[in-house]
Amino acid sequence: QVQVVESGGGVVQPGRSLRLSCAASGFIFSNYGMHWVRQAPGKGLEWVAVISYDGSNKYYADSVKGRFTISRDNSKNTLYLQMNSLRAEDTAVYYCAKEKRGYSYGESWGQGTLVTVSS
Amino acid sequence: EIVLTQSPATLSLSPGERATLSCRASQSVSSYLGWYQQKPGQAPRLLIYDASNRATGIPARFSGSGSGTDFTLTISSLEPEDFGVYYCQQRSDWPVTFGGGTKVEIK
Repeated sequence: QVQVVESGGGVVQPGRSLRLSCAASGFIFSNYGMHWVRQAPGKGLEWVAVISYDGSNKYYADSVKGRFTISRDNSKNTLYLQMNSLRAEDTAVYYCAKEKRGYSYGESWGQGTLVTVSS
Repeated sequence: EIVLTQSPATLSLSPGERATLSCRASQSVSSYLGWYQQKPGQAPRLLIYDASNRATGIPARFSGSGSGTDFTLTISSLEPEDFGVYYCQQRSDWPVTFGGGTKVEIK
């Protein structure tokens, strides 16, 4: 069955970096766009970034543009989110989501990984 | 960016009642709007894509309608497992954006 599993979260100081990973299985990873979506504690969903199936196209939310980089390794069935210059307002659960093919909706989601930015 | 406004913020209903949730876009998104359900401690689940298409495995009591700037998610007869927070999301333009959510709670 389709599965995506996030890892790499933790507590990090403001200004530091962190890299999240998302391991995919149960589907042909290289055929699907992938998204990162975050949710601050007690708040709603905020879309973060998307990468096309082959990595050629990437889009970001304004709130993370220039600080976060989405990437993928199709040989490893893994999605990444490199987060630099972290701020307190980046504290959230970060979800990766497999796109519904041909549509920019999250069809299959992981359980998320918590990132806490605090000194 | 396209702003999505959901109403009401909270809907208090009993099992068996009909739920009507609204999502309004700040500019036309054509039919490129989806709906998700999220329960506490869980990841979101895609219910409806492109305004009116049910995602795989979603019961027929969930239906979506609308186009342009005004959209509706209807749950025809609430089941106990339907309580949670519902979000709309547009894919018409980058960046993708979500609405603020509607909480459907047990009355």
